[in-house]
Amino acid sequence: GEQVEQRPPHLSVREGDSAVITCTYTDPNSYYFFWYKQEPGASLQLLMKVFSSTEINEGQGFTVLLNKKDKRLSLNLTAAHPGDSAAYFCAVRNNNNAPRFGAGTKLSVKP
Amino acid sequence: NSKVIQTPRYLVKGQGQKAKMRCIPEKGHPVVFWYQQNKNNEFKFLINFQNQEVLQQIDMTEKRFSAECPSNSPCSLEIQSSEAGDSALYLCASRSPWEPNTGQLYFGEGSKLTVL
Repeated sequence: GEQVEQRPPHLSVREGDSAVITCTYTDPNSYYFFWYKQEPGASLQLLMKVFSSTEINEGQGFTVLLNKKDKRLSLNLTAAHPGDSAAYFCAVRNNNNAPRFGAGTKLSVKP
Repeated sequence: NSKVIQTPRYLVKGQGQKAKMRCIPEKGHPVVFWYQQNKNNEFKFLINFQNQEVLQQIDMTEKRFSAECPSNSPCSLEIQSSEAGDSALYLCASRSPWEPNTGQLYFGEGSKLTVL
């Protein structure tokens, strides 16, 4: 079946450093892409959703890049702070199916 | 705070026992999803509903789970005979009717099942 691969599984950075998480997907009919943040004991919170017509999206303290040619989606936290420590998940959807999730990246930001 | 309410937060069952989890989707959201998140954080889609009708489900769900979303009652997911491999976080999510195309999901905090 279609796959969503997320890397790295664990990431540790210093406060102020950037942190990059990448997902690659196989379904060429993927049109909707999501990044979620999950803090311990809490539900998944949507960080950003992007559609196939957009390539670069900026949020508060992060940028999401979509490269449809390479089937690659990335989340770049530009200046990480300890409050960013959490698990991050990408999700990919085509028109017909439930979103497929990556296996997550556990980010640790040290002061 | 999540507006998708899942109960119980934790449940512990012995092998062979039934395990039932409930979910109240966000008000007005007609589509409900269940995912299983294992200890490696991997998500497995289990089933989804539109109103009371099943839209999609995987083979495992059809064979071993009982799920429903009755009108005016919480949705439920029940494992008929728990196995050790069912130990996981079960996440319920709902989808807004105003975003049918994007598929953005709103998640509950999950029910953590431990099968001894």
